[in-house]
Amino acid sequence: SQQGEEDPQALSIQEGENATMNCSYKTSINNLQWYRQNSGRGLVHLILIRSNEREKHSGRLRVTLDTSKKSSSLLITASRAADTASYFCAALSSYKLIFGSGTRLLVRP
Amino acid sequence: DVKVTQSSRYLVKRTGEKVFLECVQDMDHENMFWYRQDPGLGLRLIYFSYDVKMKEKGDIPEGYSVSREKKERFSLILESASTNQTSMYLCASTTSGLPSSYNEQFFGPGTRLTVL
Repeated sequence: SQQGEEDPQALSIQEGENATMNCSYKTSINNLQWYRQNSGRGLVHLILIRSNEREKHSGRLRVTLDTSKKSSSLLITASRAADTASYFCAALSSYKLIFGSGTRLLVRP
Repeated sequence: DVKVTQSSRYLVKRTGEKVFLECVQDMDHENMFWYRQDPGLGLRLIYFSYDVKMKEKGDIPEGYSVSREKKERFSLILESASTNQTSMYLCASTTSGLPSSYNEQFFGPGTRLTVL
């Protein structure tokens, strides 16, 4: 399967805590992207990290990429109830985005 | 504000019916995509198009076809709907350029299709 794997499948944390999600992929990539999906809605792009980058920040988001291990992680700091959503990594390989199966994040108020 | 719209949020069809799902983007993007999303499987690419009248098969094209007559519109067609095509269908678009420079994809809100 070309699908990426995400870990954990589900995560429940208290507001204010940090949330870390991990992603592994199988192919060589051009870049790796993270998306967010609110329940029953379309996906929204969060952040992109290129294959020659190791870490990237955007607001409360921090993404790391380890191409030798074919893995990435997304850290959301100081989580809020509004961060409750599903989060997907997507590896860009040639012309296609290959999505992981997602992590469902619940942030309890 | 960039926008990708899909013709229906919810759709219920019967087995054997021909189903059309429409997607329109207003960003002048060359590339458009159709995905289906099923629990535990993430998003899987059905078809994509990098130009008007051009189309390429994705990972799961069987049972589907597409049409791209105008740049802004990309249609997904289920020739004869079956119950295993019950799913969430998501359309997306992105700018052109070298595949290696593809940036974010912009997604529509999705169509939840139920085939009875």
